[in-house]
Amino acid sequence: DQQVKQNSPSLSVQEGRISILNCDYTNSMFDYFLWYKKYPAEGPTFLISISSIKDKNEDGRFTVFLNKSAKHLSLHIVPSQPGDSAVYFCAASPGQGGSEKLVFGKGTKLTVNP
Amino acid sequence: DAGITQSPRHKVTETGTPVTLRCHQTENHRYMYWYRQDPGHGLRLIHYSYGVKDTDKGEVSDGYSVSRSKTEDFLLTLESATSSQTSVYFCAITNGQGARETQYFGPGTRLLVL
Repeated sequence: DQQVKQNSPSLSVQEGRISILNCDYTNSMFDYFLWYKKYPAEGPTFLISISSIKDKNEDGRFTVFLNKSAKHLSLHIVPSQPGDSAVYFCAASPGQGGSEKLVFGKGTKLTVNP
Repeated sequence: DAGITQSPRHKVTETGTPVTLRCHQTENHRYMYWYRQDPGHGLRLIHYSYGVKDTDKGEVSDGYSVSRSKTEDFLLTLESATSSQTSVYFCAITNGQGARETQYFGPGTRLLVL
């Protein structure tokens, strides 16, 4: 029973365009959400996070949007670059921080074509 | 760089043999985690530790045990490896400042059980 769902296994976009990665969750107790990026043969790296008290958080080219009523979050990358090609994992926590257990989605493989 | 190393980075073993993976951190963080990553499953928590000698089970703990006798080391043991434990194993720590803590991952150990 997946609590965090990334329904698109893959996404392909052109360089310079917007990439939108989606994530849905079922547990209404989740109140902290994170996105991780993973390159092959490396560990996941933290990208951006958002607390449930916000509906948007920006960091450079990366913006995460949270729609609590829909239990949906999305990661926007603008503009997309070939170096953004990676697997992106959405994660959620019921507590305010990583000291709680994180629940991860299965990941979306993003390919940015030059 | 969260100061996490994992050893070995690659291992091939035979079914029925014991295997121990080591995670070492240099930052004196309290929380440490072991995950496995498999195609179609994303990242799944095996065990975690919230202090020396304090550990708890995660989502997929069957067949695994852990130990933490020092703050800096978190060991994952497969008592009798099975082919279903072929996976990539990631260690993580929290490296937070104040109320917001994020998990940071090591480079991974690729384990093949023949």
